Amino acid sequence: EAQVTQNPRYLITVTGKKLTVTCSQNMNHEYMSWYRQDPGLGLRQIYYSMNVEVTDKGDVPEGYKVSRKEKRNFPLILESPSPNQTSLYFCASRKQRGWDEQFFGPGTRLTVL
Amino acid sequence: KQEVTQIPAALSVPEGENLVLNCSFTDSAIYNLQWFRQDPGKGLTSLLLIQSSQREQTSGRLNASLDKSSGRSTLYIAASQPGDSATYLCAVRKETSGSRLTFGEGTQLTVNP
Repeated sequence: EAQVTQNPRYLITVTGKKLTVTCSQNMNHEYMSWYRQDPGLGLRQIYYSMNVEVTDKGDVPEGYKVSRKEKRNFPLILESPSPNQTSLYFCASRKQRGWDEQFFGPGTRLTVL
Repeated sequence: KQEVTQIPAALSVPEGENLVLNCSFTDSAIYNLQWFRQDPGKGLTSLLLIQSSQREQTSGRLNASLDKSSGRSTLYIAASQPGDSATYLCAVRKETSGSRLTFGEGTQLTVNP
C-alpha cells in the first residue's frame, strides 16, 4: 500500500530534550516536506527536500533541522525543543515533476512541557 | 505572498443536502489546487487535484471547480452524509517545481443525521 508513515504518533517531552520524528514513504517520491498545524494559523511548511541531500527552508524553519540521506526517509529533528513547538506535525511527499498530488502522513502530535 | 481563505469556517447541514465550500486565493499564478479532508486528530486525505489548466474535477459525490483568473475554487458535495463530517482544506501550489502548498484554514463541516 502506498503510504507515508510517521513515528511516533504522539510524543510528550520536556524543554531541551532532543528528539527526532521519523518520516518514510514507499512511493519513490523525490519531494518530501514537513508541515506543522496550529489553531488559527493553519498548516505551515517547516522544511522541504527536492531529492537526496537537497533540503531547504520553508516558512517556519527556526528550531528545526532535517536530513535527507535516503530517498524514502526525511526525519525532522528538534535539537532543543521549546513549548512553542507544541503542535501537530505532518510529513508529506509527492513526485518532484509532473501533475501528481501530495500525500500526507497521519501526523505526530508533539507536546513540549 | 499567497494567501488562501476558506469560507465559511464552519457549516452544519442536515443529511441529504447539497452543499458548497469556497476557497479563494490571492495570487492566480498557481500550478494546481488540491482539496483535502481531515478528520479530528488524523492526517490529510487528498480528495481532488485540479491542474491550473482544468476547470473542474469530479470524484463520486464530490465536484471541485477552479476559476484561476478570479482566484476561486469551490467544492460541491452532493447528497451529504454524516460520514462527510470533517474539516475540508484547500491548498494551492505555485508555478515552481520545488514549491510548497499554501493552505487555507479549512471549513469544518458537520452533517447531522
